Amino acid sequence: KNQVEQSPQSLIILEGKNCTLQCNYTVSPFSNLRWYKQDTGRGPVSLTIMTFSENTKSNGRYTATLDADTKQSSLHITASQLSDSASYICVVSSGYSTLTFGKGTMLLVSP
Amino acid sequence: EAGVTQSPTHLIKTRGQQATLRCSPISGHTSVYWYQQALGLGLQFLLWYDEGEERNRGNFPPRFSGRQFPNYSSELNVNALELEDSALYLCASSSRDIVNQPQHFGDGTRLSIL
Repeated sequence: KNQVEQSPQSLIILEGKNCTLQCNYTVSPFSNLRWYKQDTGRGPVSLTIMTFSENTKSNGRYTATLDADTKQSSLHITASQLSDSASYICVVSSGYSTLTFGKGTMLLVSP
Repeated sequence: EAGVTQSPTHLIKTRGQQATLRCSPISGHTSVYWYQQALGLGLQFLLWYDEGEERNRGNFPPRFSGRQFPNYSSELNVNALELEDSALYLCASSSRDIVNQPQHFGDGTRLSIL
């Protein structure tokens, strides 16, 4: 069964600090891995998409890494801002059309 | 470019009633996806429509159904509503190249069952 596990479930950090969110998956076959940001009451917004051959991808202060051998990904947020407070969702694509969603990590950036 | 739009924003129904949710995809996108996001849970895949046809269905009972119109907009219908159907229903659209292109989400319809 395809599964995506995210950790931690929730996280509180001080504004300006860095943090790293984790995603482990057991999805086969693997097509790509995506990170989404979901603000409260809004739909998810795509941050990065990584294919099997990509190890790192950045989008501003967000940097995603992928280790296809260990089936792990991380999302690193640098110099956090209050607007980074959101749920971060890891999604793994399998084959042509199947997406498996993690339950997300709820991040709260405190002033 | 207009994003994915969903209506209504909020919908309040009682048990046993029927609900209809609507979604307009981004111009040029032919695929529409429906997801249920219950409180505290991750997104659960409901339905995928492409070019007017249902392409895939998640593990939901038949009372969850929908359709896609020739202009690629879509409806999600939920019959015989139950309390546990209370959730945020998200619609997403994409080009048919789901492998390489991201899904673009609307802001959802909050369905509350009393």
